[in-house]
Amino acid sequence: AQSVTQPDIHITVSEGASLELRCNYSYGATPYLFWYVQSPGQGLQLLLKYFSGDTLVQGIKGFEAEFKRSQSSFNLRKPSVHWSDAAEYFCAAHAGNNRKLIWGLGTSLAVNP
Amino acid sequence: NAGVMQNPRHLVRRRGQEARLRCSPMKGHSHVYWYRQLPEEGLKFMVYLQKENIIDESGMPKERFSAEFPKEGPSILRIQQVVRGDSAAYFCASSPPFGSRKSYEQYFGPGTRLTVT
Repeated sequence: AQSVTQPDIHITVSEGASLELRCNYSYGATPYLFWYVQSPGQGLQLLLKYFSGDTLVQGIKGFEAEFKRSQSSFNLRKPSVHWSDAAEYFCAAHAGNNRKLIWGLGTSLAVNP
Repeated sequence: NAGVMQNPRHLVRRRGQEARLRCSPMKGHSHVYWYRQLPEEGLKFMVYLQKENIIDESGMPKERFSAEFPKEGPSILRIQQVVRGDSAAYFCASSPPFGSRKSYEQYFGPGTRLTVT
């Protein structure tokens, strides 16, 4: 069955530190991959996506993600975290021919001053 | 260009009542998706539609839930005879017509938070 896994439920980092949020997928073929961010009580904002081509993709707010086919991973990174990055981060995927998104359970990010 | 609009933002219903959640897609978008976010369960796909057509409703509960996207007007997610377990945040997303690279992306509304008392 298709699935998306985010192994880390909660992560705390200090402001200015680097960040990596993990995401693994299980699909028959390489899916279309996405990272979304959700602030408390808010909707979901698309940070970045991977469809094909260059495996390092840049997104908004200084985020980037790297697709690694050999590891079935699509990890999200940021070199220097800001306090405003505290939020819930979701990895999601769809198969392309069927656009329903399958979601990871999310990683809650806390940022210490 | 306005984003995806959902209303109401908050909805309180007593057990047994009906809930109607509305979603207006972004201008030019032809597809609407509904997802439900339950505490401790994450986001789950429910249904996706284009105008006057349900494309995939594999995530919809078999009873009490229905969705439509009429030729005119917003998409409606309807929950009949609500129960406490229906309390959740319901998110709508939209995407452009298939055939463009952008059509693979979904843009989300702010959600409707349904509370069943």
